[in-house]
Amino acid sequence: EVQLVESGGGLVQPGGSLRLSCAGSGFTLSDHYMDWVRQAPGKGLEWVGRTRNKAKSYTTEYAASVKGRFTISRDDSKNSLYLQMNSLETEDTAVYYCARAHSSSGSYYFAYWGQGTLVTVSS
Amino acid sequence: DIQMTQSPSTLSASVGDRVTITCRASQSISTWLAWHQQKPGKAPKLLIYKASSLDSGVPSRFSGSGSGTEFTLTISSLQPDDFATYYCHHYKSYPLTFGGGTKVEIK
Repeated sequence: EVQLVESGGGLVQPGGSLRLSCAGSGFTLSDHYMDWVRQAPGKGLEWVGRTRNKAKSYTTEYAASVKGRFTISRDDSKNSLYLQMNSLETEDTAVYYCARAHSSSGSYYFAYWGQGTLVTVSS
Repeated sequence: DIQMTQSPSTLSASVGDRVTITCRASQSISTWLAWHQQKPGKAPKLLIYKASSLDSGVPSRFSGSGSGTEFTLTISSLQPDDFATYYCHHYKSYPLTFGGGTKVEIK
């Protein structure tokens, strides 16, 4: 059974940093594209970024709103995904979900979701 | 960026009703569209991918259709477990974007 468990959320001041983790089980992380998606309180879903799989050299894509501030990485030995968030802004307050993507004829959609971890940016 | 617009934003319906939700893309996305269901305080759950393919284990009362710029999610007979918020998203190109969501409420 595929499982994704996020951790690392919490309260951080504006301008601060935080690193989120997502532990995967029931599958081999290196085989899969992985995403981060966030949801501000009471709002809709927003894609944050993606890391492709080992076969695609783990290349990354980011939303414009986080590019240059957030970095996605992974540790395949731990079957884990990370989101390093720097220069945090109050607008980054959200529940952050990791998701495993699945291919449909070469394009990738979100197939499995973790339960999310809450990040609150406030002074 | 491709903009995704869902309608309606809220829908009131009764158990047994046929429900249709629309998702429009600002440019053609072929059939690179997925639908997700989200209940309060829970993670989203995949229902449909490639516009009309039902994910494993999803009840057959859910169906998707469309291509290009206009898509629909239909629930043929609404069940108590279906009251939730539904989101479409495209995966044609980056950035991936979601519709604003449709909340299905009890009438």
